[in-house]
Amino acid sequence: QKEVEQNSGPLSVPEGAIASLNCTYSDRGSQSFFWYRQYSGKSPELIMSIYSNGDKEDGRFTAQLNKASQYVSLLIRDSQPSDSATYLCAVNSGGSYIPTFGRGTSLIVHP
Amino acid sequence: GAVVSQHPSRVICKSGTSVKIECRSLDFQATTMFWYRQFPKQSLMLMATSNEGSKATYEQGVEKDKFLINHASLTLSTLTVTSAHPEDSSFYICSARSRQDNSPLHFGNGTRLTVT
Repeated sequence: QKEVEQNSGPLSVPEGAIASLNCTYSDRGSQSFFWYRQYSGKSPELIMSIYSNGDKEDGRFTAQLNKASQYVSLLIRDSQPSDSATYLCAVNSGGSYIPTFGRGTSLIVHP
Repeated sequence: GAVVSQHPSRVICKSGTSVKIECRSLDFQATTMFWYRQFPKQSLMLMATSNEGSKATYEQGVEKDKFLINHASLTLSTLTVTSAHPEDSSFYICSARSRQDNSPLHFGNGTRLTVT
């Protein structure tokens, strides 16, 4: 069974700090990886997609992928209270194209 | 781009009635749509996958006769919750993708269903 694991948190960081969110996955054939942000009572919104090993940066967000370790992370620099949300990691395994979602990590950025 | 519109955003219905939820892709053709359900403080649970013009593929444990999915066009999919009961109260979210590949999903705003 394909699994995507995330620490449920909450992860609490002060405003201005770097928040580091982690995700591991079980299927070595996984080909694409996504981070979604979900505010309470709202639907998920896509933050980042990453397909190859290494880092991908977009503004304050950096996604890091290490396929050998089956590990993907999201770094949020200069965290803001508005970043407080649940962050969902999603992984597409090869062939099915149906993403498997982790349970999400709750992030709290306090002023 | 890649906007998905979902209606209604909130619905309250009486037990035993049916509720239809619409999901539209506004600026792209959605060859595949996914329907999720989410209970409070829990993760997304995939209910079914639908491809335009085909019957939906339901996940294990999801009753296809209770949750009717129609994907009749490349821009519209509907989920009908038939004979709703209080335990069906949940947050239903659709998502869509233009290609059968590794591109990301685009989510609608969700429908909060409350069955009294």
